[in-house]
Amino acid sequence: QSVLTQPPSVSGAPGQRVTISCTGSSSNIGAGYDVHWYQQLPGTAPKLLIYGNSNRPSGVPDRFSGSKSGTSASLAITGLQAEDEADYYCQAYDSRLSGPDWVFGGGTKLTVL
Amino acid sequence: EVQLVQSGAEVKKPGESLKISCKGSGYNFTTYWMGWVRQMPGKGLEWMAIIYPGDSDIRYSPSFQGLVTISADKSINTAYLQWSRLKVSDTAIYYCARREEEGDWFDPWGQGTLVTVSS
Repeated sequence: QSVLTQPPSVSGAPGQRVTISCTGSSSNIGAGYDVHWYQQLPGTAPKLLIYGNSNRPSGVPDRFSGSKSGTSASLAITGLQAEDEADYYCQAYDSRLSGPDWVFGGGTKLTVL
Repeated sequence: EVQLVQSGAEVKKPGESLKISCKGSGYNFTTYWMGWVRQMPGKGLEWMAIIYPGDSDIRYSPSFQGLVTISADKSINTAYLQWSRLKVSDTAIYYCARREEEGDWFDPWGQGTLVTVSS
């Protein structure tokens, strides 16, 4: 069971908008730590998609956006394209008593219909 | 260009030892934390350990403490992850990833090293 909770799957037709949620707790997202998002295309390494809740690295299309509120965060993808079909992971820092931890969500598989 | 290049795929038997590597280039290797992330077959990402090559400061995930050892050789810009006694359950892809100076995200990532443990 992952520390950050994501839906296992989402889907949408080309051109549509989809959102992926990421729910944490008071020791990670709720403690004020930033949320970051990664895209993992089939058979490849994860790639940074959003950092610091809502910032896009150079080269990431503005169709991808992130937000954070309370103990949750969201990734939105507008104008869905076939090449967006991938697994998406959220990540944050966690300050539990057992020690520092960089935690990930369980991942969400995006299917473009 | 910042790049992380990992060592090749490994096939090992249970009980054997293993050390995989991750070589950084295009940046000052000693001033960025380097982490290792596990991805078991068909599963998600799990942070394992992180090291600051400048002074070898190390942190382990509670889930991996005592199971693996992280190290780095700053003279050759290379980080390592090692096991003393592999188990079948260690079968996974292992990624190294550089932690950004300004925050807690990882970028870039290495291409991954597939470790297969089977009798």
